[in-house]
Amino acid sequence: EAQVTQNPRYLITVTGKKLTVTCSQNMNHEYMSWYRQDPGLGLRQIYYSMNVEVTDKGDVPEGYKVSRKEKRNFPLILESPSPNQTSLYFCASSLTGTYGYTFGSGTRLTVV
Amino acid sequence: AQKVTQAQTEISVVEKEDVTLDCVYETRDTTYYLFWYKQPPSGELVFLIRRNSFDEQNEISGRYSWNFQKSTSSFNFTITASQVVDSAVYFCALYSGGGADGLTFGKGTHLIIQP
Repeated sequence: EAQVTQNPRYLITVTGKKLTVTCSQNMNHEYMSWYRQDPGLGLRQIYYSMNVEVTDKGDVPEGYKVSRKEKRNFPLILESPSPNQTSLYFCASSLTGTYGYTFGSGTRLTVV
Repeated sequence: AQKVTQAQTEISVVEKEDVTLDCVYETRDTTYYLFWYKQPPSGELVFLIRRNSFDEQNEISGRYSWNFQKSTSSFNFTITASQVVDSAVYFCALYSGGGADGLTFGKGTHLIIQP
């Protein structure tokens, strides 16, 4: 089944403790993105990647890192999480962008 | 810069009523793509429809229909004879520019269908 897999689905962590949210797609898609969803703000893009080793900042990149060492994986790294990064995170992938994006199931992160 | 506006934050209707969700977009590109996604209470994002800027035909899929008007930069979504299962947050999104920089989303409309 074609899908985007994110892990974990839920995560509670403490301020400053590094964490990684993994994202993997099995559709051989070139494009991958990370979004965060906050009440009243919709979905905002954090980082995106158009291919292996090619990444760029989205609208809200501060406090996040990404890497794209393999085509299928696009992990999101929070080096020193803070409470304002408490959010619902989505990973997405697309073949070209014009056909839309397939989203993962989301990761609900709480930073205390 | 591109922008998507969903002016209706929340809509509440009684089951079987028709309801229209508004979406207005801004882009300088002549080629672009518009999408609607549904987010049910379970949280996942479900793709509903894609429309490119060269195709202004309205689309109907069962109880769902979409009205795309370039003249007003709008891509509205109508649910006919709404059902409780339609309760969700609905997002309108725009893709343009041809790059990998993803979708621009509106802030979403929370639709509540009361039995």
